[in-house]
Amino acid sequence: DVVMTQSPLSLPVILGQPASISCRSSQSLVFSDGNTYLNWFHQRPGQSPRRLIYKVSNRDSGVPDRFSGSGSGTDFTLKISRVEAEDVGVYYCVQITHWPPYTFGQGTKLEIK
Amino acid sequence: EVQLVESGGDLVKPGGSLRLSCAASGFSFSNEWMIWVRQAPGKGLEWVGRIKSKAHGLTTDYAAPVKGRFTISRDDSKNTLYLQMNSLKTEDTAVYYCTTFSAWGQGTLVTVSS
Repeated sequence: DVVMTQSPLSLPVILGQPASISCRSSQSLVFSDGNTYLNWFHQRPGQSPRRLIYKVSNRDSGVPDRFSGSGSGTDFTLKISRVEAEDVGVYYCVQITHWPPYTFGQGTKLEIK
Repeated sequence: EVQLVESGGDLVKPGGSLRLSCAASGFSFSNEWMIWVRQAPGKGLEWVGRIKSKAHGLTTDYAAPVKGRFTISRDDSKNTLYLQMNSLKTEDTAVYYCTTFSAWGQGTLVTVSS
């Protein structure tokens, strides 16, 4: 199984400051069709997850442009250009290139410092 | 509006069974591969399994901890996804979400305890 490793696991951020979360996979996430199936999700306390980014860098509809995804191969990053209060919660990366299983990272908890 | 509404969560004893349902609306359910994800209390997200669309053969895949005990099925005429859970263990206690990954339900709580 592909292992997804996120860092940091805890991320205290001052409002208005940038934030960055790393996600590394144990093997390349490039699929045979040339696409890389790496998604990012955000889960606010007490809510269901919401997808922010699909295929590394594509923002879902309604996702603010302060969120951006980048990376390739085994190394991926989610960046928030200026953290807002509504951004608190846990962020997960998930790979859906090599299945089964789809595998999630451990989660990164973002809090306001 | 895309909606996924899970139901069927309950308190069940170890070794028992439960069937979860997920009613879908607002999108072409029959064309979507549907996924179950669970989240144990205070823990992260865990993929449970997936069923492909009829066009892709209705193939199912499962995570190792549930393989042989859980069965995913779908009724495209009712726009409904199911998760049949047998031989339940205490470690199956979690909120279960149905999802397409672009859309998520609100989750339903399954508690396995004596």
